Amino acid sequence: SQKIEQNSEALNIQEGKTATLTCNYTNYSPAYLQWYRQDPGRGPVFLLLIRENEKEKRKERLKVTFDTTLKQSLFHITASQPADSATYLCALGNAGNMLTFGGGTRLMVKP
Amino acid sequence: KAGVTQTPRYLIKTRGQQVTLSCSPISGHRSVSWYQQTPGQGLQFLFEYFSETQRNKGNFPGRFSGRQFSNSRSEMNVSTLELGDSALYLCASSLTGEGNEKLFFGSGTQLSVL
Repeated sequence: SQKIEQNSEALNIQEGKTATLTCNYTNYSPAYLQWYRQDPGRGPVFLLLIRENEKEKRKERLKVTFDTTLKQSLFHITASQPADSATYLCALGNAGNMLTFGGGTRLMVKP
Repeated sequence: KAGVTQTPRYLIKTRGQQVTLSCSPISGHRSVSWYQQTPGQGLQFLFEYFSETQRNKGNFPGRFSGRQFSNSRSEMNVSTLELGDSALYLCASSLTGEGNEKLFFGSGTQLSVL
């Protein structure tokens, strides 16, 4: 069955450093991969989308890579700030909006 | 532009009852998806509607159903509630729902089954 793994433990980093979050998947050939941010008591907020034929995408301080051979995506936040503290979810999809989500990684950025 | 609106925000029900949750998508969005979020299972896809038709369905029992109206608003219904149905139910909308689109999520309905 399809499986998506994200670091289940919280990631603690110092303000100003680069946070790197990992998303690994098995038994899946996604057409695209998305990253979302979720704050407590709120719905996920879209951050980035990367397609299977793309290696890297950037948006301001965010960067995502997608390696379909390794079946892995890396999500980077450079110059991290305390306001970046949240849970980050990766989601894989093919046709339609039937996304399969990972369990999320909680990021804590300390001042 | 108003975001995705879900009502009610919180709901408490007892086992055996049924519940209806409502979702108003962003204006112009025709696809509405529903997800269940629990601490143990994370976010799981329930179903997706487009132009009043269910296009995709997740692996949930028939007690979970939904519909979409001509104005793209959607409702989901859970009958014969079980304790395990306690969860945050999230609705998401997008323009076409044909994939490769970002989803806009509402804040969810927190359902507690006692």
